[in-house]
Amino acid sequence: AQSVTQLDSQVPVFEEAPVELRCNYSSSVSVYLFWYVQYPNQGLQLLLKYLSGSTLVKGINGFEAEFNKSQTSFHLRKPSVHISDTAEYFCAVSDSKTSYDKVIFGPGTSLSVIP
Amino acid sequence: GAVVSQHPSWVICKSGTSVKIECRSLDFQATTMFWYRQFPKQSLMLMATSNEGSKATYEQGVEKDKFLINHASLTLSTLTVTSAHPEDSSFYICSARVQNDRFTSPGANVLTFGAGSRLTVL
Repeated sequence: AQSVTQLDSQVPVFEEAPVELRCNYSSSVSVYLFWYVQYPNQGLQLLLKYLSGSTLVKGINGFEAEFNKSQTSFHLRKPSVHISDTAEYFCAVSDSKTSYDKVIFGPGTSLSVIP
Repeated sequence: GAVVSQHPSWVICKSGTSVKIECRSLDFQATTMFWYRQFPKQSLMLMATSNEGSKATYEQGVEKDKFLINHASLTLSTLTVTSAHPEDSSFYICSARVQNDRFTSPGANVLTFGAGSRLTVL
């Protein structure tokens, strides 16, 4: 069975500082990986995804993530955060090999950008 | 881009009444939609997979008779919380997969989410 771990439940960071949100997954098959962002009282929005190819994936709003198969990680990074980046971030994984149509979400990381 | 509309965005109801939440794919067809429940400061919990023209597939522990799902068309799925009680108060979110033509596995399809519906049962 697949699972997703986000080690940091809360990450405070000063404005314009870099940030890394960690994500590790476990799966017995190849996976697709996603990062979603959720602003208060809203649904989720896709930040970026890894499906195949280059392990460094760039997304919207200046975010990027690197897929590391040996470490089963997909950490999200941004070199300089803004106040508007304050939100909940979810790492997610889905199965790439079967018709199994389910996405597993991590517990989320709350990013707070401090002015 | 693909848009999923969810309505109502918030609803307050009395205990014992039923509440219906709609999820519509506005510019694409969605044979499959997903319903999630989210408690404060927690992740999304998948409740059920809604399949157009057939019965929904419920996750373990989710009461089928409590949370009725209907997916009557390729653009509309509804979730009805029957005989709602205060413990049903939560944020309910729907999503639909946007087909990825390059990959055959449905796992490659990105989820597009509705804005969520906050249910408060008094």
